[in-house]
Amino acid sequence: NAGVTQTPKFRVLKTGQSMTLLCAQDMNHEYMYWYRQDPGMGLRLIHYSVGEGTTAKGEVPDGYNVSRLKKQNFLLGLESAAPSQTSVYFCASRVAVYNEQFFGPGTRLTVL
Amino acid sequence: SQQGEEDPQALSIQEGENATMNCSYKTSINNLQWYRQNSGRGLVHLILIRSNEREKHSGRLRVTLDTSKKSSSLLITASRAADTASYFCASTNAGGTSYGKLTFGQGTILTVHP
Repeated sequence: NAGVTQTPKFRVLKTGQSMTLLCAQDMNHEYMYWYRQDPGMGLRLIHYSVGEGTTAKGEVPDGYNVSRLKKQNFLLGLESAAPSQTSVYFCASRVAVYNEQFFGPGTRLTVL
Repeated sequence: SQQGEEDPQALSIQEGENATMNCSYKTSINNLQWYRQNSGRGLVHLILIRSNEREKHSGRLRVTLDTSKKSSSLLITASRAADTASYFCASTNAGGTSYGKLTFGQGTILTVHP
């Protein structure tokens, strides 16, 4: 099993450009999450999904959209990137009945 | 704002020594988890303690929870250089349907010198 994978690993954008981050998990997990990690601030939840076709806002959702068309994939979109979105983005997933979250390796995004 | 505050922000010890990290949180919780993050990597789950538990052990890890003080501590005994990493506490809020959403502390950077 590959676990949780994220694509791409690194990306540099210019202000105003758009992009989509892909998260894929092969563990048949129901729940998936997108976090961002900034220096000195720990991880903050952007959006999450409790099942295929459902999404919900987390702590810092502004400027991001998500979709979960397939159970194994959770996409995070930036429609118009801003320098404040420079961060490391982590995807995580878990089985509904257990609390442990499994994290991907992260995507380092720089917005110039 | 972050639910969890961690203390210390950085800890430097020698191999073989014990490392203690503390975490405080603000609201009632269902459970509190500890994660490790090696430099440039994703987070790895270490241990979970439920709100009705006071202490839990896993190998060289010992976690305590004091719900009256809204605090938890992680003790790593007989530390090794391979324990060098950032450690995060993360809590799941009590009440309602949280869907397992985690609220993270800022983390403690642990450096273990050989």
